[in-house]
Amino acid sequence: QSVLTQAPSVSGAPGQRVTISCSGSSSNIGAGYHVHWYQQHPGKAPKLLIYGNNNRPSGVPDRFSGSTSGTSASLAISGLQAEDETHYYCQSYDSRLSDYVFGSGTKVTVL
Amino acid sequence: QVQLVQSGAEVKKPGASVKVSCKASGFSLSDYYMNWVRQAPGQGLQWMAVINPSGRNTRYAQDFQGRVSMTRDTSTSTLYLEVYSLTSEDTAVYWCARLNPGGYFDSWGQGTLVTVSS
Repeated sequence: QSVLTQAPSVSGAPGQRVTISCSGSSSNIGAGYHVHWYQQHPGKAPKLLIYGNNNRPSGVPDRFSGSTSGTSASLAISGLQAEDETHYYCQSYDSRLSDYVFGSGTKVTVL
Repeated sequence: QVQLVQSGAEVKKPGASVKVSCKASGFSLSDYYMNWVRQAPGQGLQWMAVINPSGRNTRYAQDFQGRVSMTRDTSTSTLYLEVYSLTSEDTAVYWCARLNPGGYFDSWGQGTLVTVSS
């Protein structure tokens, strides 16, 4: 059971905006630990998409954005494209476990 | 450039052990915390272990304490993860990953599939 909870799936039409949520607790996101997001295509290593809550590494399109509020975080994908159809994971640190923790993952489907 | 190259796929019988390697290039293992993350088939990512830059300290996720060992050889810039007493539930892809000081994993190996089957 993942410490960070994500909806199993979200979907949207090309060009639309979708939001992926990541729900944590007072020992991780709520404690101020940064949230990071990864995109993972089947059979590939995760790719860093957002770091430090809302920062994009070089090369990541500005269609991807991150935010946090309280014990939750969100990843928004605007102008949805076919290539965005894959899995997304949030990640943070949990002070109670003293572990790095991942979300359960969300599959984005482009309709 | 930064690169992490892992050893090839393994097939093991239940009860056996497996040792996976990860060779780093483009940076020094003495400058970063290094980690292992695994992913069972169709499942999410699970953090397993970390070793500090000095190599003197390791920490393991509770699920793996007593059953895994993470080591490194700075002379060859290689990390190792050994998993003992394998069961079918250990069938997964194992990734090595570099931890950025910002708390995120900024470089990943290509993954090593470990299959546990009788």
